Amino acid sequence: KAGVTQTPRYLIKTRGQQVTLSCSPISGHRSVSWYQQTPGQGLQFLFEYFSETQRNKGNFPGRFSGRQFSNSRSEMNVSTLELGDSALYLCASSLVLTGGAPNTQYFGPGTRLTVL
Amino acid sequence: AQSVAQPEDQVNVAEGNPLTVKCTYSVSGNPYLFWYVQYPNRGLQFLLKYITGDNLVKGSYGFEAEFNKSQTSFHLKKPSALVSDSALYFCAPGGSQGNLIFGKGTKLSVKP
Repeated sequence: KAGVTQTPRYLIKTRGQQVTLSCSPISGHRSVSWYQQTPGQGLQFLFEYFSETQRNKGNFPGRFSGRQFSNSRSEMNVSTLELGDSALYLCASSLVLTGGAPNTQYFGPGTRLTVL
Repeated sequence: AQSVAQPEDQVNVAEGNPLTVKCTYSVSGNPYLFWYVQYPNRGLQFLLKYITGDNLVKGSYGFEAEFNKSQTSFHLKKPSALVSDSALYFCAPGGSQGNLIFGKGTKLSVKP
């Protein structure tokens, strides 16, 4: 099976712009989660989508949003970019997150976003 | 609130020696615990997980982890380290929302 793919791998934007990142999960995986990784804050949970619905959300401002399509592919959007949004954005897919015993999440290679 | 701690920022080991990367956790309810590894400029790779059952969990690449409920620890171990094991290791309890709560990570350096 192909792994989780993320596009683009690298992105450079300037403050105030917006950006859209894409994630294609492993075939058959219906849950997609997004994480932000920075040197200062480490890995932080952004949100999780299942069946085109956002089920869970981390503690990020409303500038960060996402969506999921019927084929389970997901996109995340960051509007009005700030310098502090520079990070590695990781997408992870799993069969389903039930809220009980979690399934294993499999990560993509990430999108490296640089905000100038 | 659920949390995780990896007390060592870096662990240095000679090739061929055993390695241990430490992790302690604080969760409500049953602990579900994961270890991931990250190589430079790469995403995270799943190593192993504890859901229930045997306290010694075996995973990928010869790694294993020991779950200790009384000490709330889930240390990652390998009997004989390889230079190629050098990477960033993350311990992650499963959060109440089903997400992963990551520690700061421990950089493992294995010298020949």
